[in-house]
Amino acid sequence: QVQLVQSGAEVEKPGASVKVSCKTSGYSFTDFLIHWVRQAPGQGLESMGWINVKSGGTHYEQNFQGRVTMTRDTSVGTAYMELTSLRSDDTAVYYCVRDDTRATLVDPWGQGTLVTVSS
Amino acid sequence: QSALTQPPSASGSPGQSLTISCTGTSSNIGAYIYVSWFQQHPGKAPKLIISEVSKRPSGVPDRFSGSKSGNTASLTVSGLQAEDEADYYCCSYAGNNNLVFGGGTKLTVL
Repeated sequence: QVQLVQSGAEVEKPGASVKVSCKTSGYSFTDFLIHWVRQAPGQGLESMGWINVKSGGTHYEQNFQGRVTMTRDTSVGTAYMELTSLRSDDTAVYYCVRDDTRATLVDPWGQGTLVTVSS
Repeated sequence: QSALTQPPSASGSPGQSLTISCTGTSSNIGAYIYVSWFQQHPGKAPKLIISEVSKRPSGVPDRFSGSKSGNTASLTVSGLQAEDEADYYCCSYAGNNNLVFGGGTKLTVL
């Protein structure tokens, strides 16, 4: 079955960077985009952007431009999201999910990675 | 401040029907058919329940239905069940490869 398995929780200091991985299985990796969505504690969902895993092309939402980099390794079916210059309001659960290129985020989502930014 | 506006809460008794609204603009909901709804139980990842305004993915009960009129999308849950108690989020394509979400609606089954 389709699975997206993310790396474990991280605790980082303000100003540091974090890199979250999303290992996929059960489908052809290049058939979908990988979209990243985050959710601050008790808050709603926020799109960060996506990576076209076939071409490597990316789109980052305006709020994250300049701080986020999405990459992929097609040899191991894994996508990565790196966020730099972390602030306390970056504390959130970060999810990866497949995007069918028709602006639909299809199940299943990754299990989520909690990133805590604290001094 | 979310790009799409949802009521923060909604409630209904088992068996009742309930509709959650999601208001956007002519640049997102009003312009595209790519409106989705997600259900999220506490501590869990979101789950897609409606795509492209009104399509139900396989396995989603037909008690869930979606519609759109102008700049407002709606999710209707018919025959409320206890397991429907969750947070619900709308989502829309907003052009230029952007995706926007609503702030979420907490559905309580009384």
